[in-house]
Amino acid sequence: NAGVMQNPRHLVRRRGQEARLRCSPMKGHSHVYWYRQLPEEGLKFMVYLQKENIIDESGMPKERFSAEFPKEGPSILRIQQVVRGDSAAYFCASSPERVRDEKLFFGSGTQLSVL
Amino acid sequence: GQQLNQSPQSMFIQEGEDVSMNCTSSSIFNTWLWYKQDPGEGPVLLIALYKAGELTSNGRLTAQFGITRKDSFLNISASIPSDVGIYFCAGPPQGGSEKLVFGKGTKLTVNP
Repeated sequence: NAGVMQNPRHLVRRRGQEARLRCSPMKGHSHVYWYRQLPEEGLKFMVYLQKENIIDESGMPKERFSAEFPKEGPSILRIQQVVRGDSAAYFCASSPERVRDEKLFFGSGTQLSVL
Repeated sequence: GQQLNQSPQSMFIQEGEDVSMNCTSSSIFNTWLWYKQDPGEGPVLLIALYKAGELTSNGRLTAQFGITRKDSFLNISASIPSDVGIYFCAGPPQGGSEKLVFGKGTKLTVNP
């Protein structure tokens, strides 16, 4: 009964490189949410996806950031040409349906460090 | 956008003490959620509140949904070392949304 799996747990990138963060939702969950957490801050919503569809990307920066959740495989959050300000913990959450709060399960996150 | 303000920012207590923290908003929330985050981990839901005035317990934790719908409180009784972590309040903005708004958290340290 695996939970939400995120990898890598830690990712170091130099400025200008690309970062790819992966999230495998819990079995049977078809809804994925990405949140970002800056140091000493709460989580901030980025994007909500269902299989093959982006439902709400209102929290995601318009440039350099993209997300997908293909029919097969994990959800990917992609950050192109990373900058130091992208350094943060990125959390993925999944739910079996449009979120009913107690059914939202978070992964352990990917800590992105940009040098 | 809607914001959640948590206080205190941090607390240092002795094992066995009771803890109280709160969360306020300038606008109404119809659901209040309390999460705990351990270092290096994602948040885990502790308590969900859906009704104004509701008081809900989960073991040594008790949370209340404020009557005005603009605040919520979390109490921890007889704290133990494993209560250490960051406690976040969160809720979906008005109108119903998949997007949760989170407070900045209350960092709890428990001295054995």
